Amino acid sequence: QQQVKQSPQSLIVQKGGISIINCAYENTAFDYFPWYQQFPGKGPALLIAIRPDVSEKKEGRFTISFNKSAKQFSLHIMDSQPGDSATYFCAASTSGTYKYIFGTGTRLKVLA
Amino acid sequence: KAGVTQTPRYLIKTRGQQVTLSCSPISGHRSVSWYQQTPGQGLQFLFEYFSETQRNKGNFPGRFSGRQFSNSRSEMNVSTLELGDSALYLCASSLDPGYVGTEAFFGQGTRLTVV
Repeated sequence: QQQVKQSPQSLIVQKGGISIINCAYENTAFDYFPWYQQFPGKGPALLIAIRPDVSEKKEGRFTISFNKSAKQFSLHIMDSQPGDSATYFCAASTSGTYKYIFGTGTRLKVLA
Repeated sequence: KAGVTQTPRYLIKTRGQQVTLSCSPISGHRSVSWYQQTPGQGLQFLFEYFSETQRNKGNFPGRFSGRQFSNSRSEMNVSTLELGDSALYLCASSLDPGYVGTEAFFGQGTRLTVV
């Protein structure tokens, strides 16, 4: 019940295309869902996060869509760029803690 | 504002030895959490500290321990190292778990290799 399932494991997108990464969770106590971006040799960097009281959040080219009833959330990267090539992790946690349950990661490659 | 500082960045240890890793959070942040990252298991939560108290602990053996000091700096210790402990150990700094919507910021990690 603590798992967060992330798909796909890897993704190849053409420059200018849309990258979509999906995550699903089971624990309904989760109420904070961040997405992190990680480049090789670096720590994860927070991209965008959402709480279940909204269905969508947009920051620049990054959008989180959240479906509370389906217990699913997804990251959309619009106008994908080669510089977006990295590994993306979704995560979930409950309020009052920074114990994040991470998805298994998606390795994104954007072709120039 | 300086980010999260983890030292050392790289470490090579022999099986059976012990190791101590250090994390200095962002100034003003009082919460520190630790994660282990491996290719096989991904990012796994180790423990979380706030105001020198361990608030949560992950599913790791007792060889893994940590502590937080009054200045919010944190250390984690791994005793009797095993080959499987080779990983990137990440520290995350956060303002206060009592605040809704605060984020966790990760350091660059300490790459531990056990030989």
